[in-house]
Order: sequence, then structure tokens, then C-alpha cells
Amino acid sequence: QSVLTQPPSVSGAPGQRVTISCTGSTSNIGAGYDVHWYQQLPGTAPKLLIYGYINRPSGVPDRFSGSKSGTSASLAITGLQAEDEADYYCQSYDSSLSGSVFGTGTKVTVL
Amino acid sequence: QPQLQESGPGLVKTSETLSLTCTVSGDSISSSSYYWGWIRQPPGKGLEWIGSIYYSGNTYYNPSLKSRVTISVDTSKNQFSLKLSSVTAADTAVYYCARQRVRGVINWFDPWGQGTLVTVSS
Repeated sequence: QSVLTQPPSVSGAPGQRVTISCTGSTSNIGAGYDVHWYQQLPGTAPKLLIYGYINRPSGVPDRFSGSKSGTSASLAITGLQAEDEADYYCQSYDSSLSGSVFGTGTKVTVL
Repeated sequence: QPQLQESGPGLVKTSETLSLTCTVSGDSISSSSYYWGWIRQPPGKGLEWIGSIYYSGNTYYNPSLKSRVTISVDTSKNQFSLKLSSVTAADTAVYYCARQRVRGVINWFDPWGQGTLVTVSS
């Protein structure tokens, strides 16, 4: 029962730019709580990609960037590469649930 | 970067209690900057937060699981544990433990353990 909604899938050719949206509500993103993004390669644990909307942990390429607008957040991947093919999840805090919430997840396919 | 490792039975019988432990190395579980959390992922599905605990024992639980979940911490062993009671097949999932940054509220998870598959079957 995810409270953060993402598109099920996005795709793009190598070198292209793709964006993934994460739509929430006034009890999470709209309330000002940070959004974080994770990349999950097939058969592996999720890995932190972006934290606090725009910050990249050490080692994450600058091809990945995050942004916020109102009750939504977005992850952009520029210069898409074959190795970017994975599932991506957003995550935030929800005040009505008093806990963490994950997005529904988006599968990125490199054509 | 600390390392987290989940351990516990891979098979649990229906209606029994699932028990997992996460062992933390390379960081103190008593750090004031972090909570320690459990997340699960049913096969082929998305991530679901189960709950998180502070070294003092303070907990946050997912309301949808709260009646069945207990998370505890053992600072002497640098471990924290998950118990999920009255399990059904719907609880079959890969269970991950992760460190969770505190900044005002509980925030991002990093790093994660490799995960352990728990199958519920009669």
C-alpha cells in the first residue's frame, strides 16, 4: 500500500535522458520531508543513489540527479548507459504513518 | 562503510514466528546519528518498510505490521533483531536490514545488508 507513486517503467536508448517521477501527498513530500532514491540491480540489495532530494553519495556518477516540485520528486538519468538498467525506488517520511514509505518502484530499460 | 549481515532460518512454518538478526560491523550500533531498520521485498514486488530501532530501544513500526512486529537491539553484540508473528505465505520475502540516518526524522537507508530470503510454508 505504497503512498508514493512511481511509473511502472521507463525506457530510453543509450545516451538519452530519462526521468522518473515520485508523487506523494501533503503528509510526506508536500510536508517538506526529504526524498531519497535507490537503485536495485537484478538480484542485489538496493543501493542509495540520492539523498535529501539532490545529494549524491560518494561514488555515484553525476549522471544521476534529483529534484523536487510541490508534492512530487524526480530522478533524472542523463547519458543513459546499459549498466543503468535496474529498478529505482523513491523513499520519504510520512507524518500520518509516523514512519518511512517507499515508492511503488520503476523499472528502467535501456533499449 | 559499515557492513550489515542478516541471519536466521530460511523457512518458517505458517502461523509461527519469523526471527532474524542483523549483525553490524564497522560501526557502533550505539551511534547517535542512526536508527537501524528492517525492510522486506516479496518476490517480484516492491520494497516495504517494516520498522526501525534506535540504540536506546525507541522504535518506529509500519502501522500495517505493527500488531505482529517486534524489533529489539543488543548493543553488547552490536546486533538488532526482528520478530514477526503469525506468519502466512504473504510474509514470504527477502528481508533486508539497513542503517537509517536520523536528521530530524528517520531518513535514508545506507548501507543495506545483502538480504535473506524467508519462505513461509506449511
